[in-house]
Amino acid sequence: DQQVKQNSPSLSVQEGRISILNCDYTNSMFDYFLWYKKYPAEGPTFLISISSIKDKNEDGRFTVFLNKSAKHLSLHIVPSQPGDSAVYFCAASAVRGGADGLTFGKGTHLIIQP
Amino acid sequence: KAGVTQTPRYLIKTRGQQVTLSCSPISGHRSVSWYQQTPGQGLQFLFEYFSETQRNKGNFPGRFSGRQFSNSRSEMNVSTLELGDSALYLCASSLSGFDTQYFGPGTRLTVL
Repeated sequence: DQQVKQNSPSLSVQEGRISILNCDYTNSMFDYFLWYKKYPAEGPTFLISISSIKDKNEDGRFTVFLNKSAKHLSLHIVPSQPGDSAVYFCAASAVRGGADGLTFGKGTHLIIQP
Repeated sequence: KAGVTQTPRYLIKTRGQQVTLSCSPISGHRSVSWYQQTPGQGLQFLFEYFSETQRNKGNFPGRFSGRQFSNSRSEMNVSTLELGDSALYLCASSLSGFDTQYFGPGTRLTVL
């Protein structure tokens, strides 16, 4: 039973445009959400997080939106750059930081085209 | 500040053998978590250690075990290896477990 779902295995976006990556979850106990970016042969790199008490968090070109009633979050990257091409993972936890173990989606491969 | 380091980076073993993987967290971080990444199952939580104690455990058989030392370094052991244990094993550290986890590059284990 997948508790965190990223339904788009891949996404292609033109350089300079907005990239929107989506994530859905089923466990209502999840209280803290994160996005990680992963290049091949490297570990995931933390991008941005959001607590369930907020509906938006922004950090530079990255913005995460949380819709608790829909159990949905999205990551917006504006503007998209070639270096953003990577696999993006959505993760969730019942406690801040994920000491109880982060639950990950299967990832979305973002391809930024010149 | 140095990041999370994992050794070895690559490992080839045969079925039935056992393996030990090592993780050195970021200096000052006391929480270490381990994850398994496979193409079919994605990233799955194995266990988390804080101050030499296992605080949380994922849904993996008892063949998977770990420990943490007083300097926060952690080791993960897999006994009686199976073909399905072939995976990328990732270690992540955080200050307390209740803040951002930072991942190492992983150890790629191949079981033949």
